[in-house]
Amino acid sequence: QVQLVESGGGLVKPGGSLRLSCAASGFTFSDYYMSWIRQAPGKGLEWVSYISSSGNIIYYADSVKGRFTISRDNAKNSLYLQMNSLRAEDTAVYYCARVGPMAQDYWGQGTLVTVSS
Amino acid sequence: DIQMTQSPSSLSASVTDRVTITCRASQGISNFLAWYQQKPGKVPKLLIYAASTLQSGVPARFSGSGSGTDFTLTISSLQPEDVATYYCQNYNSAPWTFGQGTKVEIK
Repeated sequence: QVQLVESGGGLVKPGGSLRLSCAASGFTFSDYYMSWIRQAPGKGLEWVSYISSSGNIIYYADSVKGRFTISRDNAKNSLYLQMNSLRAEDTAVYYCARVGPMAQDYWGQGTLVTVSS
Repeated sequence: DIQMTQSPSSLSASVTDRVTITCRASQGISNFLAWYQQKPGKVPKLLIYAASTLQSGVPARFSGSGSGTDFTLTISSLQPEDVATYYCQNYNSAPWTFGQGTKVEIK
């Protein structure tokens, strides 16, 4: 069965960096686009970024452009999100999701990122 | 960027009531519209994709319609387990914006 497991969240000071990982299993990872979505405490969903199956097509939300970098390693069935210059407003649960023909069809359990001094 | 506007932001209805949530895109997105359900404390779950296609395993009381800029999610007979926040999402073109969500409660 499809499984997505995020890791790498934690507490970081404003201006700091963090790298999130998402380990995928149960499907052919290299066949699928992948995305990151976040949810601030008590707030709605915010799409962050997506990457194509080969990694040559990438898009970001304006709120993270220039600070976050999405990448993937198809040999390791892994998706990443490098987050730099973190701000308090980046505090959220970060989900990775598989992008099927039918939008984001499988989601991980999420990892919490807290940006605070 | 395409903005997605949901209405209402919250609603309260009785069990077996018919519930309708609308989602409007600021420009046409064809049928590249998905609906997600997020129960309290849980991970979002895909309900409907391509505006009207039910994801496998989703109860038939859920349905979606629309194309272009105006979309609807309908629950034909509200059940207690449908208490959740519902989000629409444009996946026609990046950024893949979500609506602000509609919280559904039981009266």
